[in-house]
Amino acid sequence: AQSVTQLGSHVSVSEGALVLLRCNYSSSVPPYLFWYVQYPNQGLQLLLKYTSAATLVKGINGFEAEFKKSETSFHLTKPSAHMSDAAEYFCAVSEAGNTGKLIFGQGTTLQVKP
Amino acid sequence: DGGITQSPKYLFRKEGQNVTLSCEQNLNHDAMYWYRQDPGQGLRLIYYSQIVNDFQKGDIAEGYSVSREKKESFPLTVTSAQKNPTAFYLCASSGYGTPQHFGDGTRLSIL
Repeated sequence: AQSVTQLGSHVSVSEGALVLLRCNYSSSVPPYLFWYVQYPNQGLQLLLKYTSAATLVKGINGFEAEFKKSETSFHLTKPSAHMSDAAEYFCAVSEAGNTGKLIFGQGTTLQVKP
Repeated sequence: DGGITQSPKYLFRKEGQNVTLSCEQNLNHDAMYWYRQDPGQGLRLIYYSQIVNDFQKGDIAEGYSVSREKKESFPLTVTSAQKNPTAFYLCASSGYGTPQHFGDGTRLSIL
């Protein structure tokens, strides 16, 4: 069975600092991996996706993530945090070849301090 | 613009009452999904449908029902059997090879 673990339910950074949100997955088949962002009282917006092409994936708003099979990780990074990055972030996994049904992590709330 | 419309944005339910949440998409996606979101628990799948007139239970289907009579529409009914319905409900859709696209959610509360 597939699963996703996001390490840290809350992460706090200063504006301009590096953002690192951790995601580890478990999958018996090659996975597709996703990061979504959610602002208060809104739906989820896709930040980026890994679908077995390049292991370093660039997304919107300056975010990127690296797929590391040996570590079963897909951590999300951004070199310099902006106040507008404050939101909840979700990592998700699906079976390769099927980007439909997703398994989500518990979410990480990112706080950005001025 | 294509997208997913969920209505209403806020909904209140009385004890013993069934309520229906609407989800409409104009993305021509075959698959649609309903999730429940509670604080600190991420998103949990209630029901999903991969094609018209067919749907499957997700992880927490008890107390909920759905229908998929049209490709564009996937309404969710929260029945009186759902004893803890207060949550944020999200609808999503996906096409072949495309990630899930989400609506803006409906927040359900108990009166």
